[in-house]
Amino acid sequence: SQTIHQWPATLVQPVGSPLSLECTVEGTSNPNLYWYRQAAGRGLQLLFYSVGIGQISSEVPQNLSASRPQDRQFILSSKKLLLSDSGFYLCAWSVSGQGANSNQPQHFGDGTRLSIL
Amino acid sequence: GDSVTQMEGPVTLSEEAFLTINCTYTATGYPSLFWYVQYPGEGLQLLLKATKADDKGSNKGFEATYRKETTSFHLEKGSVQVSDSAVYFCALGGSYIPTFGRGTSLIVHP
Repeated sequence: SQTIHQWPATLVQPVGSPLSLECTVEGTSNPNLYWYRQAAGRGLQLLFYSVGIGQISSEVPQNLSASRPQDRQFILSSKKLLLSDSGFYLCAWSVSGQGANSNQPQHFGDGTRLSIL
Repeated sequence: GDSVTQMEGPVTLSEEAFLTINCTYTATGYPSLFWYVQYPGEGLQLLLKATKADDKGSNKGFEATYRKETTSFHLEKGSVQVSDSAVYFCALGGSYIPTFGRGTSLIVHP
């Protein structure tokens, strides 16, 4: 069966420090991968998605970046964190293949709670 | 573009009450529709889905019917429990990117 791992679960970072959040998926090949941010009491904001190794699409311009160095690994990074980067970060995957996606759900990790001091 | 509109929350109910959370959508084509649930401090979990008009998705006592004529996918449960307290998200599928509603918080009191 497929599983998704996201770490760390919680992170407290000072303003201006770098960030690296990692997400890995097991049990499937060539998944679509997603990073979302959820501010307190708010909905989901899609940050990045990837349909293959090295292919990253950004939905919202910001000081964050994403990379996909391996098929089932998705990394969210920042060189300098801002206070506004605080939030709950969620990684998700779905079955690959355009057309098929519209019938396929997303599968989410447990999230990373990021607090910026 | 595609959009999903959910009722504003929080929805506050007593245990064993009937639940309805409204969801309407606009979309091109015929996407699948989903309900996800997010318990406090956790990621989203798929609750149920429907892939075509008049399909009924069901899971854990929750149900939702894909109504093409009213572009709706309302979530219902006949008798809620305290353990159902969570945030519920309605979503429609897209070729790569699904569209999520803003979420509706449900609080169930004993």
